Amino acid sequence: DIQMTQSPSSLSASIGDRVTITCQASQDISKYLNWYQQKPGKAPKLLIYDAFNLETGVPSRFSGGGSETDFTLTISSLQPEDIATYYCQQYDSLPFTFGPGTKVDIK
Amino acid sequence: EVQLLESGGGLVQPGGSLRLSCAASGFRFSDYAMNWVRQAPGKGLEWVSTITSSGGSTDFADSVKGRFTVSRDNSKNTLYLQMNNLRAEDTAVYYCAKGGPTTLSSFDSWGQGTLVTVSS
Repeated sequence: DIQMTQSPSSLSASIGDRVTITCQASQDISKYLNWYQQKPGKAPKLLIYDAFNLETGVPSRFSGGGSETDFTLTISSLQPEDIATYYCQQYDSLPFTFGPGTKVDIK
Repeated sequence: EVQLLESGGGLVQPGGSLRLSCAASGFRFSDYAMNWVRQAPGKGLEWVSTITSSGGSTDFADSVKGRFTVSRDNSKNTLYLQMNNLRAEDTAVYYCAKGGPTTLSSFDSWGQGTLVTVSS
């Protein structure tokens, strides 16, 4: 199985800050990496697919990058509504696996 | 608008069974793979199962293999998860999630989830 790791596990940042979350796969997954946002008590929401493609309706302050084993999710200017836990997920092969999540809150 | 509505969760004793349903609308259900993902209280996301658009192929996480089955009724736009021999560690919110035309695809829409509690 492909193992996914994320760092940091949590972060606090100020409104307007640039925030970057990293995700690492235990083997080459090409571009097959998704990012999801989950707000407390809500279902996850797809933000980015194929490593860098923004899902329809997602604000442009979110961006994704990377390939093979190393990926990033960047929020260019943190907003109050971005408070959430962010998960990466590989879909290169079954079983699908998620990272442990990164909790983002406001400093 | 894509809508996914899970139902069937509840309290069940260890060793018991439960069947979850996910009613889909707003898209051509029979064209898309579907998935179940669960989240234990305070924990992260865990993929549980995938079924192809036709229902002809399924796959499961090792943690549920042999105990859970997944099926779909494309005439009713409904996905099912049959859970047998339930354990305490199966306690979680269960989400259905829409995939793509093929199995290896993103989960682009999610239901609101249904809570399954396994306890005596």
